[in-house]
Amino acid sequence: DTAVSQTPKYLVTQMGNDKSIKCEQNLGHDTMYWYKQDSKKFLKIMFSYNNKELIINETVPNRFSPKSPDKAHLNLHINSLELGDSAVYFCASSRYRAGTEQFFGPGTRLTVL
Amino acid sequence: GNSVTQMEGPVTLSEEAFLTINCTYTATGYPSLFWYVQYPGEGLQLLLKATKADDKGSNKGFEATYRKETTSFHLEKGSVQVSDSAVYFCALTKGGSEKLVFGKGTKLTVNP
Repeated sequence: DTAVSQTPKYLVTQMGNDKSIKCEQNLGHDTMYWYKQDSKKFLKIMFSYNNKELIINETVPNRFSPKSPDKAHLNLHINSLELGDSAVYFCASSRYRAGTEQFFGPGTRLTVL
Repeated sequence: GNSVTQMEGPVTLSEEAFLTINCTYTATGYPSLFWYVQYPGEGLQLLLKATKADDKGSNKGFEATYRKETTSFHLEKGSVQVSDSAVYFCALTKGGSEKLVFGKGTKLTVNP
């Protein structure tokens, strides 16, 4: 059984378009995250939700809007896509407790042309 | 702020060689420390962790010891295999915040 799944795996789109990436976890965790990995493999957190409430919001353009319909899902919607948004986006989940492991999804490679 | 510095890659070794990937951190108090591994085309997996000073994390032959005095968490393996080829990330979380702060990653290639 897949623990953290993301769709789509690949996303190729034109500048200016709006797109969404979906994430689901079946681990019963209460906290979910979005990370961005750039072309040099550097990983940086974007958002975190605990029990459907936003708890971490890094300095991310407001074109990015996360939505958590329930504890098992955290979707990422991106408006007016720009070339610099091209990256691999990873979803992750964990229990909300210091020092616990985060489980990562397989990633979504977004390419903006 | 909190940060992690790990040795620049790439690192290329022959099978059965000894591996060390250095990692140092900057944080107030007592962060939890992690090594994550990313195999080609996959997401990250936890390799090992340590949550307090002098703890040793170990898994799959890899080890790392939480050294408060040197603010380090170096990754070691005595004999690497071709299947260990991956990108390795050192990371920390600081108590009360579950935000993982990552180092820049070290790509390891092991040749037969």
